[in-house]
Amino acid sequence: EDKVVQSPLSLVVHEGDTVTLNCSYEVTNFRSLLWYKQEKKAPTFLFMLTSSGIEKKSGRLSSILDKKELFSILNITATQTGDSAVYLCTPEGYGNKLVFGAGTILRVKS
Amino acid sequence: NAGVTQTPKFRILKIGQSMTLQCAQDMNHNYMYWYRQDPGMGLKLIYYSVGAGITDKGEVPNGYNVSRSTTEDFPLRLELAAPSQTSVYFCASSYSSGGAARSPLHFGNGTRLTVT
Repeated sequence: EDKVVQSPLSLVVHEGDTVTLNCSYEVTNFRSLLWYKQEKKAPTFLFMLTSSGIEKKSGRLSSILDKKELFSILNITATQTGDSAVYLCTPEGYGNKLVFGAGTILRVKS
Repeated sequence: NAGVTQTPKFRILKIGQSMTLQCAQDMNHNYMYWYRQDPGMGLKLIYYSVGAGITDKGEVPNGYNVSRSTTEDFPLRLELAAPSQTSVYFCASSYSSGGAARSPLHFGNGTRLTVT
């Protein structure tokens, strides 16, 4: 059965701090891992990771995958209040159901 | 660019009533999903479909039914609504061709359902 565990479950930081969010997974026939950000409404796509050790970067956000140890991290540097959201990860395998982790609730205080 | 359209946006049901949540996408995506999200929780998969005529259960299918008669539409049916079905429901779609990884999910804006 597919498993996704995200940590921490919630996090409160001050503007300017750097945060690291974790996602560990077990999925049959792994193909990719995706990160999403959810603010008030629907989740929006951040990154798709398919290869170990290759960092994906978008502005202050970056993510990397370790297929040997079955985890991914999402880093946010110089956090801003607009980064406050729930961050979700989901591993994709061939034919799997696309199960999400419980998410990490990030709150950035000004 | 409509993307994924969900209707209604809000609905209040009495216990025992039934309703259908509508979901339509105009991106010719073959994969479609229904998730529910309870307050402060992650997304739980209810049902999904890999193409017209094919549906399968997710993590929490009890109390729900789906159909996929066309590529575009994936309605979710609630029979005999219960307070435990109070939640926000998201429909999503993605695309995969052959053995390639699926595209990222495109989500609808959600339906907030309250059962009292």
